[in-house]
Amino acid sequence: AQSVTQPDIHITVSEGASLELRCNYSYGATPYLFWYVQSPGQGLQLLLKYFSGDTLVQGIKGFEAEFKRSQSSFNLRKPSVHWSDAAEYFCAVDPSGAGSYQLTFGKGTKLSVIP
Amino acid sequence: DGGITQSPKYLFRKEGQNVTLSCEQNLNHDAMYWYRQDPGQGLRLIYYSQIVNDFQKGDIAEGYSVSREKKESFPLTVTSAQKNPTAFYLCASSVPGRDQPQHFGDGTRLSIL
Repeated sequence: AQSVTQPDIHITVSEGASLELRCNYSYGATPYLFWYVQSPGQGLQLLLKYFSGDTLVQGIKGFEAEFKRSQSSFNLRKPSVHWSDAAEYFCAVDPSGAGSYQLTFGKGTKLSVIP
Repeated sequence: DGGITQSPKYLFRKEGQNVTLSCEQNLNHDAMYWYRQDPGQGLRLIYYSQIVNDFQKGDIAEGYSVSREKKESFPLTVTSAQKNPTAFYLCASSVPGRDQPQHFGDGTRLSIL
């Protein structure tokens, strides 16, 4: 079955440390890929997106993600985490690759930051 | 500023009641979506609408109904047939086409009294 997997339910890092959140998908073709962030009790905010072209994409708040076709992955990274980055992060996929925007979401990774 | 407004922020329902969650957008987006979010489950699509007067079921439509009479409005009714309605509900909208991500409202938390 087609799916989006975020293997880490909860990650804790120290402020200033680097961060990598993992996302794997199981679709035949290259889908459209997104990372969203959600603060408690709030909606989702788009961090970055990948449709085609350069496999390393830059987003807001200093985040970047790398698409690796061979590994069916789209991992989110940040070189130095700030306390305000504590939130829940969702990887999402539009499997049609045609911009129909029927997104499938992973179950999320909750990030805690130690001051 | 353009955006998506969901109301109310918190909603309580008695057993056997229908309740309607409001979603209004002033982004001039054609497509609108309703998601349900449960802890540890991510977001699951309930209904979506690509144009006015047309909508399709998502993955978990049972016990829910929607209407799309105006471009800017996409209300969701949680009916008494939905046996486990306690959840966080998120509305989103988008422009159909490439490079156009979904924009989300701040959600409505529904609880059963």
